[in-house]
Parts: sequence; structure tokens; C-alpha cells
Amino acid sequence: DAKTTQPTSMDCAEGRAANLPCNHSTISGNEYVYWYRQIHSQGPQYIIHGLKNNETNEMASLIITEDRKSSTLILPHATLRDTAVYYCIVIEFGNEKLTFGTGTRLTIIP
Amino acid sequence: KAGVTQTPRYLIKTRGQQVTLSCSPISGHRSVSWYQQTPGQGLQFLFEYFSETQRNKGNFPGRFSGRQFSNSRSEMNVSTLELGDSALYLCASSQTGFEAFFGQGTRLTVV
Repeated sequence: DAKTTQPTSMDCAEGRAANLPCNHSTISGNEYVYWYRQIHSQGPQYIIHGLKNNETNEMASLIITEDRKSSTLILPHATLRDTAVYYCIVIEFGNEKLTFGTGTRLTIIP
Repeated sequence: KAGVTQTPRYLIKTRGQQVTLSCSPISGHRSVSWYQQTPGQGLQFLFEYFSETQRNKGNFPGRFSGRQFSNSRSEMNVSTLELGDSALYLCASSQTGFEAFFGQGTRLTVV
């Protein structure tokens, strides 16, 4: 079973920041938080990951709470191409088995 | 560099037949994982191979099997196909401890 809880769906206006929450209250000290997204009928795409510090890359920012029980993925300026299902995954370093939950279906509204 | 390549992209098979799907990982990646995606069950892990050895296995029946070659290319085989095996089969490659890169998948339809 997935160790994360995400809202089923969210809408965001084009050009605004999309903030996608994820709860992972049972995360252990050596587990990372990874985010992937899947655009319809394509393979999942890696977005970002973190352990306990906030992370930023060219696609998104990841904010992890101090207790590490939740995190937020931020897409700073959402475009229509960001419409996808977003998956938050908790995984040990070196473990290649990704357990996908149901994810959040993000719809960007023009 | 080239991404993960899966062949074929689409496949139609009849119940009872067997099928073999192929995955070529990104050059230098030694870990290859396979996933099944269906509307009802979502994305589910099948198995992972590393250096020609199965390192991880999901909860699928023995009809689902795989192998990895010395060049890291991987195949998965499904024998005695059932209607419920209709799905998108995804392959992912990675360097251990780093993000996984997924292919476009093979869409298998069993009729």
C-alpha cells in the first residue's frame, strides 16, 4: 500500500502557482519524498525529490515540513502542459520499487 | 542521450497466448523495473532487475516473468494471457539511488 495521502483532484488557473499537498505521516528517517507526474497515456516523469531540506529545480519546488510528515510540490507558474496526475512517493534510498498511490489529478484552467 | 525505449508500443493478443515485451534502458543504467497500469488498479510494480538478477518482486502470479541481459536490456513475458492482463506495461531504468526514467510503455490488449 502507498504510504502517502494526496487529494484526488485539484484545479489551478494558468499562470498561477499550483500547490500540491502530500501527507506521509509514517515516513521513516531514511526515506525520501519523490514526486512524479504522468501526462495522459505517457510514462511517469520524475519531477523532484528531497529528504528534509526544501529543494528546487527547473520544474518545481519541494517544501518538506520540519517533522517530515507532509510536503508540498509547487509548480510556480502553471501552464496547460502541467495538466497531469501527480504522484507523491516515499522511498528508501537505493530501493527501486516505487509504490504509486492514486495521485492528484491536476487540471490547469485557461 | 536516448531515453528508455519500449517495444512494441501496441500489441493485441488472444486469451491463452503468451507475449514478450522489450525494454532498452538508458545507457549506463543497470536497474530496470517493470510496472503494470490499469484503470482499476493504477500503477503496480511487477519486478526489478539489476545486473541480470531479479532484485525485487511485486505481487503478481508466476505467469509474469522477466529477465535482463548483460547489456541491461530487459524483457518481460506473460504466459497464458487473460483478459485482465490488458494494460499499459511500463519499464523504468535508473542508476541505483537516483530517479527512475520511464519509457512510453507498451499497451497490451487481450481479446
